[in-house]
Amino acid sequence: QVQLVQSGAEVKKPGSSVKVSCKASGGTFSNYAISWVRQAPGQGLEWMGGIVPILGTSNYAQKFQGRVTITADESTSTAYMELSSLRSEDTAVYFCARGVPYTTLNRFDPWGQGTLVTVSS
Amino acid sequence: EIVLTQSPGTLSLSPGERATLSCRASQSVSARYLAWYQQKPGQAPRLLIYGTSSRATGIPDRFSGSGSGTDFTLTISRLEPEDFAVYYCQQYESSPPTFGQGTRLEIK
Repeated sequence: QVQLVQSGAEVKKPGSSVKVSCKASGGTFSNYAISWVRQAPGQGLEWMGGIVPILGTSNYAQKFQGRVTITADESTSTAYMELSSLRSEDTAVYFCARGVPYTTLNRFDPWGQGTLVTVSS
Repeated sequence: EIVLTQSPGTLSLSPGERATLSCRASQSVSARYLAWYQQKPGQAPRLLIYGTSSRATGIPDRFSGSGSGTDFTLTISRLEPEDFAVYYCQQYESSPPTFGQGTRLEIK
């Protein structure tokens, strides 16, 4: 079965960028959407955007347009989420999650273990 | 975007009791595109139910989902100790996919 393993925790300064990786193993990668969902401390879940690797197209939530870039490397079955112009409100756990084939409009299963990104001066 | 409102915010019950969690959408959602997740502290969410009533792989049959239009329900027939967690509904009919704010199920 598919497993998603994310990169480790990050501490970043305001104004900088962070890039989080999500490596898939145990299943097909290219035609399944990978989405990124974040969770601020003590808060709910917020979809940021997603990508279908084989299509090479990404979709983003309007809130994050211009600040987030989601990419995928089919050769290593790895998806990436880069968030720029970081501010303290971006402190959160960032999850990757797999959807269904060919669309980023998805239910999510399975999920990565999460990556804590802390933005602090 | 579609706003999902979950109620109650917190539900206090005892093991063995029945739990009923509600999710109301700001506009109609096709039953094909409504999911429920369980999240325990320090863990990623886990898919329980998709398509309103289909259980995900490995989910016990004490979990069931129902509903249509703007009103959806997750029912846990007999609570086990491991069921105490936060539950989220999610719609994936229209972009962006959105989640409810969660219902915390706590031990009474």
